[in-house]
Order: sequence, then C-alpha cells, then structure tokens
Amino acid sequence: EVQLVESGGGVVQPGGSLRLSCAASGFTFDDYAMHWVRQAPGKGLEWVSLVSGDATNTFYADSVKGRFTISRDDSKTSLYLQMNSLRTEDTALYYCAKSHDYGDFEPNDYWGQGTLVTVSS
Amino acid sequence: DIQMTQSPSTLSASVGDRVTITCRASQSISSWLAWYQQKPGKAPNLLIYKASTLESGVPSRFSGSGSGTEFTLTISSLQPDDFATYFCQQYNTFSTFGQGTKVEIK
Repeated sequence: EVQLVESGGGVVQPGGSLRLSCAASGFTFDDYAMHWVRQAPGKGLEWVSLVSGDATNTFYADSVKGRFTISRDDSKTSLYLQMNSLRTEDTALYYCAKSHDYGDFEPNDYWGQGTLVTVSS
Repeated sequence: DIQMTQSPSTLSASVGDRVTITCRASQSISSWLAWYQQKPGKAPNLLIYKASTLESGVPSRFSGSGSGTEFTLTISSLQPDDFATYFCQQYNTFSTFGQGTKVEIK
C-alpha cells in the first residue's frame, strides 16, 4: 500500500525558514518524480515543486523560485522541501504527491494528508 | 504560464443528474489534462488523466473529453458520494490547477 506521510509544518514568522519532510513507502521510490502541492485555507491547489526520479531535475513555481529547495533521499525514501524567506502568502497545507507514471510532469495518483505551514507575526 | 479556467465555480445539482464541468487552457495543452475530486479535509483524488483515461478504481459514471484548450468532466448520474470540489490540472508545461468547481446539493 502506497503511503506518503508529511511532517515539519508549524508556525513561523515572516522571513523565517522551515523544512518539510515526506516519508514514502509501498512503491519503488526512486522510479518516480515527486511533487509538493499546496492549498491555502479555503482556496484551490497550487503546484509548488517537482524533483525527478533520478534527482537530476528540479522545477519550481515562479512564486517560490529562489526561496524553496526540493530534494530527495532515496536511501531513506524521503522527500524534502526547504523553505526560506517565508511570506504570509506561503501559509497553506503542503501536500507531498507521487507522479502517476515515470515521467517528470505527470498527474498525481497518491497524496499525503498534508502538513500545515502558517506564516504569521 | 498556462492558466486554467474552470466553469462554473459552483454547481447545484440533484442525485441522478447529469453534470458537466468545463476547463479551458490559455494555450494548447494537447491531452495533458487531469481531473481530481476533493472532499473537505481530504487530499485530492485522481479521477481522470490524459483528458479521458479513467484512473483505476474510479466509477465509470465519470468521463472526460477534450483536447487542445477545451475539456469537460461529465458525471453521468450524480451519486451522493459525488458532492465535492473538482479540479482540473494541466501537465503539458510544468503544472497548473484550475480554481475548482464545487458540486453542491440542490
């Protein structure tokens, strides 16, 4: 059974940093690109970042480029998101999601339960 | 950036109704479009990918069509479990979601 479990969310002041983690199990982790997708309270979904299965490619939404860094540790079957220079508009539930197929940009067939990041003074 | 626009934003319907949701892309995305269902407090659930391919385990009352810039999600006979919010997603160039369509009870 595929499982994705996020952690690391919390309350942080504007300008602060946070590192999110996603522990994956139930599939061959290094075969698939992995994504972060966020959802502000009461709002829609926003794709944030992707790392390819072999970790050679990373992609970011313009809204987080230069501030967020995605990475993966295949030995730990884990995905990470380092978030720096946080802004109030980064407040959201952050989901870790698996690519449906072996390409980079694919739909997401499995999602975690999300971890809440609140940026507030 | 590719923008995705869904319509309507809210849809009121009854059990048994045929429901159609539209998603328009700001430029051609071929058939690189997915549809998701999301219920309150839950993660999204993939329904359809490549515009018209039903994800495994998804009921056949859900169907998708379209290519290029215009796409539709159809629920042939709305069931009580289908009242939820639906999102489209393009994955032709990076990834962008539509703003969502809430299907509520009439």
